[in-house]
Amino acid sequence: DVKVTQSSRYLVKRTGEKVFLECVQDMDHENMFWYRQDPGLGLRLIYFSYDVKMKEKGDIPEGYSVSREKKERFSLILESASTNQTSMYLCASSPPMGGVPSGANVLTFGAGSRLTVL
Amino acid sequence: AQKVTQAQTEISVVEKEDVTLDCVYETRDTTYYLFWYKQPPSGELVFLIRRNSFDEQNEISGRYSWNFQKSTSSFNFTITASQVVDSAVYFCALSEAGGAGSYQLTFGKGTKLSVIP
Repeated sequence: DVKVTQSSRYLVKRTGEKVFLECVQDMDHENMFWYRQDPGLGLRLIYFSYDVKMKEKGDIPEGYSVSREKKERFSLILESASTNQTSMYLCASSPPMGGVPSGANVLTFGAGSRLTVL
Repeated sequence: AQKVTQAQTEISVVEKEDVTLDCVYETRDTTYYLFWYKQPPSGELVFLIRRNSFDEQNEISGRYSWNFQKSTSSFNFTITASQVVDSAVYFCALSEAGGAGSYQLTFGKGTKLSVIP
């Protein structure tokens, strides 16, 4: 069964702390994504990566960075957590589809990491 | 810029009723993809369907059906004879086929469906 695993379901951090959210996929997917989900706002893309060591900004990258040193792992980093980063964070991955536009990719999501910043 | 509107924030139905979740989209591309995802209370979004802009055939999968109408830029989702297990947040999403935004899915804000026994 294919999987995207997020290391922590629930985290509580203090303002100013550095926070690492880890995501691992076992499907050999090239593309990986970090989304943020907030009530009334839906899902918003923070960063994505289409290859090892490659990253692209999404719609709301401010206050976040990412790291992809290995194909299967995509980390989201909050350098100095703030209360407005309290949210549900969702990781996803997708394969390239060889000849089919990448916009057609189906995402496989992890179960999410609920972060509370106090 | 692409946009997806799910006007229904929350819907409640009694079990066995039919329910339709609306999705209206905006895009300037002629080639694009539409998706529906389900997010049950466990939190993990699950893919339901993908449609490309050239395929306007309606689709049925068991109790689920989808009505794609380019003329009204809508991609509505109907659940027939709803069940408690259908309770979830449902997201409609749009992706343009190529170019700089090709990796990005634009999600609607979701519709929370509650099926009451």
